[in-house]
Amino acid sequence: SQQGEEDPQALSIQEGENATMNCSYKTSINNLQWYRQNSGRGLVHLILIRSNEREKHSGRLRVTLDTSKKSSSLLITASRAADTASYFCATGGMLYNFNKFYFGSGTKLNVKP
Amino acid sequence: KAGVTQTPRYLIKTRGQQVTLSCSPISGHRSVSWYQQTPGQGLQFLFEYFSETQRNKGNFPGRFSGRQFSNSRSEMNVSTLELGDSALYLCASSPEGQGAYEQYFGPGTRLTVT
Repeated sequence: SQQGEEDPQALSIQEGENATMNCSYKTSINNLQWYRQNSGRGLVHLILIRSNEREKHSGRLRVTLDTSKKSSSLLITASRAADTASYFCATGGMLYNFNKFYFGSGTKLNVKP
Repeated sequence: KAGVTQTPRYLIKTRGQQVTLSCSPISGHRSVSWYQQTPGQGLQFLFEYFSETQRNKGNFPGRFSGRQFSNSRSEMNVSTLELGDSALYLCASSPEGQGAYEQYFGPGTRLTVT
């Protein structure tokens, strides 16, 4: 299975602090994506990093990818209460034109005001 | 562009019944994927349709089926409902093309089986 596994499962921080979540996966991938889900709602795409990229930024988000260790990290800087959500990594398969992604179990982030 | 829409948003059914859920993708998107999300199993891939053809399938029993219409709208059907089918069903669409691309999710349909 290419399923990603996030670590930690839950994270509680104060507003203004940085939050770091990690994702590990098992097999070679084409890309890795991070999504956010607010309680009971649909997922929102945050960032996509391809297997030939090592780091990517988007606003307060920074994603790194280490294909040799089969791991990725998501850093949210200067967190806000609105960042409270579950965060999932998803690994995209090696079959081009195919849209099969494997989602990890997620990290539940709680940002206290 | 309008986002991905799913109907209905909430549904209560009885064991043994069947249910049909609908998903309208973002205009121009030809790929539609379905996922089941439960507290115990997390997000699990059901199937993906592209140009009216099922392109990928997850590990779900045959009671779960789907289809896609020529306008890319998709439906999924669950027959002979079981209590364990209670879940949030999410639909996602993505543009066609080679390589990797993000998925755009709908708000989901919350199915409760009693």
